[in-house]
Amino acid sequence: GEEVAQTPKHLVRGEGQKAKLYCAPIKGHSYVFWYQQVLKNEFKFLISFQNENVFDETGMPKERFSAKCLPNSPCSLEIQATKLEDSAVYFCASSQSGTSDYEQYFGPGTRLTVT
Amino acid sequence: DAKTTQPTSMDCAEGRAANLPCNHSTISGNEYVYWYRQIHSQGPQYIIHGLKNNETNEMASLIITEDRKSSTLILPHATLRDTAVYYCIVRVAGVGGATNKLIFGTGTLLAVQP
Repeated sequence: GEEVAQTPKHLVRGEGQKAKLYCAPIKGHSYVFWYQQVLKNEFKFLISFQNENVFDETGMPKERFSAKCLPNSPCSLEIQATKLEDSAVYFCASSQSGTSDYEQYFGPGTRLTVT
Repeated sequence: DAKTTQPTSMDCAEGRAANLPCNHSTISGNEYVYWYRQIHSQGPQYIIHGLKNNETNEMASLIITEDRKSSTLILPHATLRDTAVYYCIVRVAGVGGATNKLIFGTGTLLAVQP
């Protein structure tokens, strides 16, 4: 498609439950990036993929977060045993290239609320 | 990492040009300056980017100083719909140098007044 699609729009989970978020990149884009926005203006990079390969996972909390991008499937970000502090908006972005002269296009985000 | 400094907020009258400044005094020679904006809680929207030269597209103009230590985003005729948080970002090389995550600062809240 012409836009990055993210599902669901909203997700509510009780503390300790699993949460799974999905992202379909723009057709033809081989790079996918996940970001977390906790407070209004604070973004945190989580992980990036080149096709199905993890390229940079320096921002991923190791214990409970995992992500995949499999061929012919939306990319996913999974949080096992959610905590209150995981409440945030999670944005996915895609790009034609991973180099710094190519822009990233963002999806509308998934708002995760952990209660 | 090159960091950026932006004013917390700015006002602009509708129909006038909005000039948003950004300081990035530690930028490296191969790092691009990018501008994004976020309207309400929507996903960040790409506006423009540049390396050394000034750039213009249908949304805005980007003026980069000769020493590259600062830049200005210009929205030529601001409308109410341009009210948003504007982020100035310097692209950082990631692991292996091939992917470049975006590091967002706190941005400038531009309020366009009627």
